[in-house]
Amino acid sequence: QVQLVESGGGLVKPGGSLRLSCAASGFTFSDYYMSWIRQAPGKGLEWVSYISSSGSTIYYADSVKGRFTISRDNAKNSLYLQMNSLRAEDTAVYYCARPPGGWLGWFDPWGQGTLVTVSS
Amino acid sequence: DIQMTQSPSSLSASVGDRVTITCQASQDISNYLNWYQQKPGKAPKLLIYDASNLETGVPSRFSGSGSGTDFTFTISSLQPEDIATYYCQQYDNLPHTFGQGTKLEIK
Repeated sequence: QVQLVESGGGLVKPGGSLRLSCAASGFTFSDYYMSWIRQAPGKGLEWVSYISSSGSTIYYADSVKGRFTISRDNAKNSLYLQMNSLRAEDTAVYYCARPPGGWLGWFDPWGQGTLVTVSS
Repeated sequence: DIQMTQSPSSLSASVGDRVTITCQASQDISNYLNWYQQKPGKAPKLLIYDASNLETGVPSRFSGSGSGTDFTFTISSLQPEDIATYYCQQYDNLPHTFGQGTKLEIK
């Protein structure tokens, strides 16, 4: 079945860096856009970034632009999020999720999420 | 950015009740509107896409309607397992924004 599994979360100090990974299985990863979405503790959902199937088209939310970098390795069926210059407000559960086919739309499925905590 | 406003923010209802949640977009988004269910400690789950299309495997008591700026999500007969927070999400324009959520509780 289609599955997304995130890893790489943890505790990091303000200004630090972290790299999240998302392992995909059960579908042809290279056919799909992929996305990161986050949820601060007790808060709502915030879209973070998209990457096209080939990696040639990338979009970011203004809140992370210039600090976060999304990438993918289609040979490894993996999605990544490099997070630099982390701030307390980046503390959240980070989900990877799959938009439909070759376009942007809904998110289905979602991974289980990985918690990133930015604190001194 | 397109703002998505859900109401109510929280809702208490009895098993068997009809429950309605609304989502209003700050500008016309056609039918580019999706609904998700999130249970505590779990990832969101897609229920409705393109305003009114039921995702495969989702019970038929869930439905959605609307277009333009005003959308409605309905549970026709509330079940105990429907306790969750529900979110709308638009994908007409980037950034693809979510509503603030509606927390549904059993009375």
